[in-house]
Amino acid sequence: DGGITQSPKYLFRKEGQNVTLSCEQNLNHDAMYWYRQDPGQGLRLIYYSQIVNDFQKGDIAEGYSVSREKKESFPLTVTSAQKNPTAFYLCASRQQNSGNTIYFGEGSWLTVV
Amino acid sequence: AQSVSQHNHHVILSEAASLELGCNYSYGGTVNLFWYVQYPGQHLQLLLKYFSGDPLVKGIKGFEAEFIKSKFSFNLRKPSVQWSDTAEYFCAVTPGSNDYKLSFGAGTTVTVRA
Repeated sequence: DGGITQSPKYLFRKEGQNVTLSCEQNLNHDAMYWYRQDPGQGLRLIYYSQIVNDFQKGDIAEGYSVSREKKESFPLTVTSAQKNPTAFYLCASRQQNSGNTIYFGEGSWLTVV
Repeated sequence: AQSVSQHNHHVILSEAASLELGCNYSYGGTVNLFWYVQYPGQHLQLLLKYFSGDPLVKGIKGFEAEFIKSKFSFNLRKPSVQWSDTAEYFCAVTPGSNDYKLSFGAGTTVTVRA
């Protein structure tokens, strides 16, 4: 089945450690996105990528980094510089010229203690 | 800065009441607009979308939205809500050109009382 796979679903980390969340899609979509969802703040865009080897900062990129070495993969690293990393992280993808429908992964819960 | 503004944080209404949720965006030029719904414990699903043409868009579950370009708005409406419409509603905007950025509003929680 085509879709987006995020892993891990739940992750606990100690403060000061970097952590990488995986996102893989087999939809052959050009665009991929990372959002975080916090109560009362909706989905806030962290980074997005329109093409391999290129990505753009979203609205809250500080403390995060990404890479897009392959079309199907867009991992997100939450660095120790992120002041409030505990959140629900959603990966998404879409094809610009194919109805613009966005597909979401199942999400990853990150808890930093 | 948030590119998409949803005016109402929480709306409470009774069954059969009419619903209107506001959404304003700050992009100039061509935009593509979306409304998504997230039911409790579930993932986001698309209610409706606007790309071009008729500014009044019909979606699923009896929802509709009107694009008013001069007001940079894309308000969501439903004439008569049901208890099952209790959910969080998100407006989303993409510039619609070669910029793939897709931004969401903060969301509006809708509680429908039976």
